[in-house]
Amino acid sequence: AQSVTQLDSQVPVFEEAPVELRCNYSSSVSVYLFWYVQYPNQGLQLLLKYLSGSTLVKGINGFEAEFNKSQTSFHLRKPSVHISDTAEYFCAVSDGKFYFGSGTKLNVKP
Amino acid sequence: DTAVSQTPKYLVTQMGNDKSIKCEQNLGHDTMYWYKQDSKKFLKIMFSYNNKELIINETVPNRFSPKSPDKAHLNLHINSLELGDSAVYFCASSPGIGNSEAFFGQGTRLTVV
Repeated sequence: AQSVTQLDSQVPVFEEAPVELRCNYSSSVSVYLFWYVQYPNQGLQLLLKYLSGSTLVKGINGFEAEFNKSQTSFHLRKPSVHISDTAEYFCAVSDGKFYFGSGTKLNVKP
Repeated sequence: DTAVSQTPKYLVTQMGNDKSIKCEQNLGHDTMYWYKQDSKKFLKIMFSYNNKELIINETVPNRFSPKSPDKAHLNLHINSLELGDSAVYFCASSPGIGNSEAFFGQGTRLTVV
């Protein structure tokens, strides 16, 4: 079975600062990787995905992530965050089933 | 024009009752899922259907029974509700199995009192 680890449960950051949300996964087979965002009282929205090809993936709202096979990581980054980026972020892997990390709450302060 | 819609959005009910949550997707996807999100935001898959066939059935109490009348619908019926069933339940769909993203509904917040 796959597993996903998001090491940081909360990340506070000031507006316009850069941010990195960490995600590591364990898998013995090829997987597909995703980042989702959940705003309060809403469902999950896809930010970006890695299926194959270039290891640097660009998503919506200025986010990007880099797939690193040797480190089994898929960290999410944004060079300059906004207040509106405050939300819960979930990393996920799929081999037919989606396995989600425990989430990282990004709290952007003015 | 909502892609994945769930009803109801909120559900408050007493212990021991039976309730259903409905899910419909208009994306033409073959695969649908039910996930449970607990109070700590942890998301766990419960069931998955592909072309109306059950393909994933995680360790979920028998009180939970999914029903897929057609590819576009996956309903969740819960018998004899317990306090521990309180959570947010998300329906999702995807074009295929594994190699594509899942599209999520807005969730149903179930509160058992």
